[in-house]
Amino acid sequence: GENVEQHPSTLSVQEGDSAVIKCTYSDSASNYFPWYKQELGKRPQLIIDIRSNVGEKKDQRIAVTLNKTAKHFSLHITETQPEDSAVYFCAAARAHRDDKIIFGKGTRLHILP
Amino acid sequence: ETGVTQTPRHLVMGMTNKKSLKCEQHLGHNAMYWYKQSAKKPLELMFVYNFKEQTENNSVPSRFSPECPNSSHLFLHLHTLQPEDSALYLCASSQEVGGDEKLFFGSGTQLSVL
Repeated sequence: GENVEQHPSTLSVQEGDSAVIKCTYSDSASNYFPWYKQELGKRPQLIIDIRSNVGEKKDQRIAVTLNKTAKHFSLHITETQPEDSAVYFCAAARAHRDDKIIFGKGTRLHILP
Repeated sequence: ETGVTQTPRHLVMGMTNKKSLKCEQHLGHNAMYWYKQSAKKPLELMFVYNFKEQTENNSVPSRFSPECPNSSHLFLHLHTLQPEDSALYLCASSQEVGGDEKLFFGSGTQLSVL
């Protein structure tokens, strides 16, 4: 089955700098890669996703890149702000009715003032 | 309240107690899920329900017993739990069951087993 590895487990960046979180997956059939953000004490929420037919997707300050050959994908946050402090989970799945989403272990991002 | 609501927010129980977690979704979704979130571990899928029917049991011990009376409500009945079962239990829903479905999570129940 699918296995998703996520690095780093903890990341601290200065406010205004960029943050990058990387994930690898094992199942070459996976073609859907969502990212969820969980602020302290709150529920996880989908922030961006990418499908395997594109290599990059952007939404304001966040972007996700996908390398299908290497089976890895990354989340990029630019011009980080205090509200970006949270745990970020990557995930992988096959866009199929019978499939399920497999999550990584999460990255705790700290934005330093 | 809109979205996915879970009660209670916090629960402390002894190993011999019986308790239940409740989840309700107001989104008109057909699929509901239970996830377990432990420190430094991935979100672990426990159960999946589609149109009230259980479609997945991810090798969960029988001390966890789910119930889905309708598409809007999901329960997790707990009985003779172990300390290692202490975790945040998250309910989620999605429009349909599928790998690329957007999950809407509740705020979770923080469970402590003494």
